[in-house]
Amino acid sequence: EVQLVESGGGLVQPGGSLRLSCVATGFTFDEYAIHWVRLAPGKGLEWVAGVSENSGSPGYADSVKGRFTISRDNAKNSVFLQMDSLRVEDTALYYCTKDAYSSRWYTLTGMDVWGQGTMVTVSS
Amino acid sequence: SYVLTQPPSVSVAPGKAASITCGENNLGGKSVHWYQQKPGQAPLLVIYYDTDRPSGIPERFSGSSSGNTATLTISRVEAGDEADYYCQVWDSSSDQVVFGGGTKLTVL
Repeated sequence: EVQLVESGGGLVQPGGSLRLSCVATGFTFDEYAIHWVRLAPGKGLEWVAGVSENSGSPGYADSVKGRFTISRDNAKNSVFLQMDSLRVEDTALYYCTKDAYSSRWYTLTGMDVWGQGTMVTVSS
Repeated sequence: SYVLTQPPSVSVAPGKAASITCGENNLGGKSVHWYQQKPGQAPLLVIYYDTDRPSGIPERFSGSSSGNTATLTISRVEAGDEADYYCQVWDSSSDQVVFGGGTKLTVL
């Protein structure tokens, strides 16, 4: 079964850090781009970051650029999101999602597999 | 930054067709993807590359694009289609993936 499973969410104070993980099963992981997308309470979907199959030149939303870092370990079928300098407005459910056909995040072909998400709450 | 405009809400009676639009001045030439999200569930890809339907998505779901507007059409709407719908593109000028603000589809 094709599956993505996120972990690492939790409650953190403003200015703190968290590292999210996403483990993939059921497909050839190193052939696809992977993205993080979030859903804040009462808001719409927001793309956070994307990484290509070879980890080269990842992309970031303006709202997280310079604070978040996406990376992947193909040997472990895993993608990570290091979140630093967290803000209250980063509070959201964070989804890991796979590009349907492309190995490069910037040749988006649609996101066909999604995890169930991991909740990040930034609050004092 | 690039902004995709969707109507906040669309209402439709069961059995009728619903159309959800997604627009921006420079949408032409970009591939648009559409997602359905129900409360408590992860998003589901329903249309990719403007018009293509992933396997398992009913034929009632169709997509089109003309000029600066893309449209998701759901024919013969059912109660189970009630959800939030989002369009999405990759914007080369900002080098970012962009979602529309989302449209809440209500089945009357």
